Amino acid sequence: DTAVSQTPKYLVTQMGNDKSIKCEQNLGHDTMYWYKQDSKKFLKIMFSYNNKELIINETVPNRFSPKSPDKAHLNLHINSLELGDSAVYFCASSQGYTRGETQYFGPGTRLLVL
Amino acid sequence: SQQGEEDPQALSIQEGENATMNCSYKTSINNLQWYRQNSGRGLVHLILIRSNEREKHSGRLRVTLDTSKKSSSLLITASRAADTASYFCFILTGGGNKLTFGTGTQLKVEL
Repeated sequence: DTAVSQTPKYLVTQMGNDKSIKCEQNLGHDTMYWYKQDSKKFLKIMFSYNNKELIINETVPNRFSPKSPDKAHLNLHINSLELGDSAVYFCASSQGYTRGETQYFGPGTRLLVL
Repeated sequence: SQQGEEDPQALSIQEGENATMNCSYKTSINNLQWYRQNSGRGLVHLILIRSNEREKHSGRLRVTLDTSKKSSSLLITASRAADTASYFCFILTGGGNKLTFGTGTQLKVEL
């Protein structure tokens, strides 16, 4: 059973479109995250939710809107996609977040904006 | 420069040799973790070292932490081809609401 799953795995779309990426974890964790990894492999935290509440919201364009319907799911909606949004987006989860609990990562969603 | 800079950026060694990668950071930390990323995959947690610890071992991995120098090192002993991956340090600061990954070291272990 996959612990942290993301869909879709690959996403190719045109500039200006709106798209969503879904993430689900079956580990019973309270905290979930979205990270962006660029072409140079730099990983940057975008958002974090704990028990459906937003706890980290880094400097991310407001075209990106996370949504956590329950603590097992954290989805990412992106409006008006731009070329610079092309990257790999990783979802992760952890038991908590205040003590540096181990994070479990999904396989990533490779987004290519044309 | 950003929090969590790693060196070297890339490292190529022969199987059986040891690999050492370093992570430097700027502010006080709660703890520091190391993760591994195989090509095209998600990250996998390797080891965590708390700010009051100086050294930790896990199998062929040895992590050190020097809070006075604000640096950590990850040593992989007797490397194997399967260790080929990117390695990232992960820093937790600010009571848990500041998360930063290092810039990563790409390790290649050749047969």
